[in-house]
Order: sequence, then structure tokens, then C-alpha cells
Amino acid sequence: NAGVTQTPKFRVLKTGQSMTLLCAQDMNHEYMYWYRQDPGMGLRLIHYSVGEGTTAKGEVPDGYNVSRLKKQNFLLGLESAAPSQTSVYFCASSQYRADQPQHFGDGTRLSIL
Amino acid sequence: GQQVMQIPQYQHVQEGEDFTTYCNSSTTLSNIQWYKQRPGGHPVFLIQLVKSGEVKKQKRLTFQFGEAKKNSSLHITATQTTDVGTYFCAPLTAGGGADGLTFGKGTHLIIQP
Repeated sequence: NAGVTQTPKFRVLKTGQSMTLLCAQDMNHEYMYWYRQDPGMGLRLIHYSVGEGTTAKGEVPDGYNVSRLKKQNFLLGLESAAPSQTSVYFCASSQYRADQPQHFGDGTRLSIL
Repeated sequence: GQQVMQIPQYQHVQEGEDFTTYCNSSTTLSNIQWYKQRPGGHPVFLIQLVKSGEVKKQKRLTFQFGEAKKNSSLHITATQTTDVGTYFCAPLTAGGGADGLTFGKGTHLIIQP
């Protein structure tokens, strides 16, 4: 039982490059989330999805795009990476609603030079 | 988003001492979740509180939800080295959707043997 799987685990980018982070869950959860975690800032919601084909903005959406073409996958894209996007990115999922427990992936450590 | 304050930011204790972290919201909450994140790991769901004045226990951990549903606390009795990590509260505002779940900045528990 894998739960929530994030790829890649580590990545170093140069400013201006683009990349996509992949999140996959095998629990048939409806809700999926992308967070970023910076020192002293806790977890901040970037984008989320309440079901296949839906996406919505969270607290800090600028500079990111997302897609949920399949229920089990939630992709986070950086179109033109900036040093301010250096962070640890976590994907999470919950079964039906936001008030249900969230299951997190192991995270992606992203550095933008 | 709603304002949630978690205190203290850091807490150093000797092994065997008790530990408490508090989560305070400026608005009435629908419910509140608590998560633990070990160093280098990902957040793991601990518990959810829903009812006013609710108290739940998990072995040495005691969770409380305030009568006014605006604050919550996590108390650990006789800390052990395995308790090291960051504890996050995640309150959900009444009627809030997925973007109504906000994580506190966390309390870092450091245990000295």
C-alpha cells in the first residue's frame, strides 16, 4: 500500500527553467492538495482539487499551475522557476472532504539557483 | 484566510518533562486536526476534534478543544525522545472548503536526554 507517492524527491533547477512535480495516490481519494513548506512558515496551500478535472487556488498560487486529469494524479507545474520557489513541496490527499484526515507524500526538495 | 497562531514556536524540554502546544484562532472553528512531522519527514495525522470542550487521549498525548471552539491544545506527558518533531494544528473554519483548512506554523519540540 503506497499511499501518496511524490516524484522526484530532489531537484535542482536554474532560474527560468520549468518542471512538473507528480503526485499519485492509490487510496481513491477525491481531494488532493499541494503545499509548500518553508522554515518558520508552516505549510501553505498552493492549489487543491476536489475531484477529477477540478482545480482551485489556495493561499499562495502565483507562479504555479496544476492539473488533475486523472483522479489518482495531481500535477504541480512551475512555468519559470524563481529562487523564491526554493522549498519543500508536499502533496496530500483526503477521502471526501477537507475535514477528513490528510495523507501526505514524502515531499520534494526543490532548489532554484 | 483565517488567522491561526500556534505557540510556542520552539520548546526545549528534558526527557521526562511534560510539553504543551497551543493553537488559537481568531474565528470560530468547525473542527481542528493535529499533525506530527518528524525531522526530515512528512506530516502525519494524529487526531481530529469536532465538539466544543472535547478531550481525547492517545497514550501520553491529550488533545483538547476549547468551549468556544476557538482554541485547542496538545499536551504530552513525560516526553520521550520519540516525541521529537514539529506539531501542527490545522483548524477548519465553519462552512469552509478545502481552502478553509489552514495549518499553524507549528511547535518544534526538542528533547534533551
